[in-house]
Amino acid sequence: GAVVSQHPSWVICKSGTSVKIECRSLDFQATTMFWYRQFPKQSLMLMATSNEGSKATYEQGVEKDKFLINHASLTLSTLTVTSAHPEDSSFYICSARDLLRRTETQYFGPGTRLLVL
Amino acid sequence: GENVEQHPSTLSVQEGDSAVIKCTYSDSASNYFPWYKQELGKRPQLIIDIRSNVGEKKDQRIAVTLNKTAKHFSLHITETQPEDSAVYFCAASISQAGTALIFGKGTTLSVSS
Repeated sequence: GAVVSQHPSWVICKSGTSVKIECRSLDFQATTMFWYRQFPKQSLMLMATSNEGSKATYEQGVEKDKFLINHASLTLSTLTVTSAHPEDSSFYICSARDLLRRTETQYFGPGTRLLVL
Repeated sequence: GENVEQHPSTLSVQEGDSAVIKCTYSDSASNYFPWYKQELGKRPQLIIDIRSNVGEKKDQRIAVTLNKTAKHFSLHITETQPEDSAVYFCAASISQAGTALIFGKGTTLSVSS
């Protein structure tokens, strides 16, 4: 149990386009999901906390108008990178918590590798 | 906010030796401390976690110790094997609704045979 999927697993796009990444909890309800970004050989940096039915909470330095997060259901959160630029190229990973049964444990998706040309 | 420091950044050991990775955290309210193993290009995998009401936890070759007073916790891997080679991350969070994990910078462990 506790499986989180992400789609797509990798994407290449042109500079200036928008890219949507989906994060789904497959066998549990995720009232809270988190989005992280990981540059090569670096740690996971928290971008935002996504709560179902409410606005996301962004970390300092993360532009909310550039990284749009929508958590419209208990099993799906989406991250849209708007007007992507080469410096947005990174590994984006989501995670989810099942607050109904498993309080602290975070389950990670497989990640999405974004390359902006 | 929470800040997690992790040392060392790289660690090389011989197969069969022990490996120790240490982390410190800043927020005394943090009470959940997981350790993740990440292989290249893959998602982080939870290997062990500890809560603040426990001082030590063991799972076969892996153990974690927590000193809440000093705000530091450590990962111990005994009898290392080449397949233990990966990047290890410590993290901390407050065990309440909606609290994210804050990660250390990671330790690249290399186990040579």
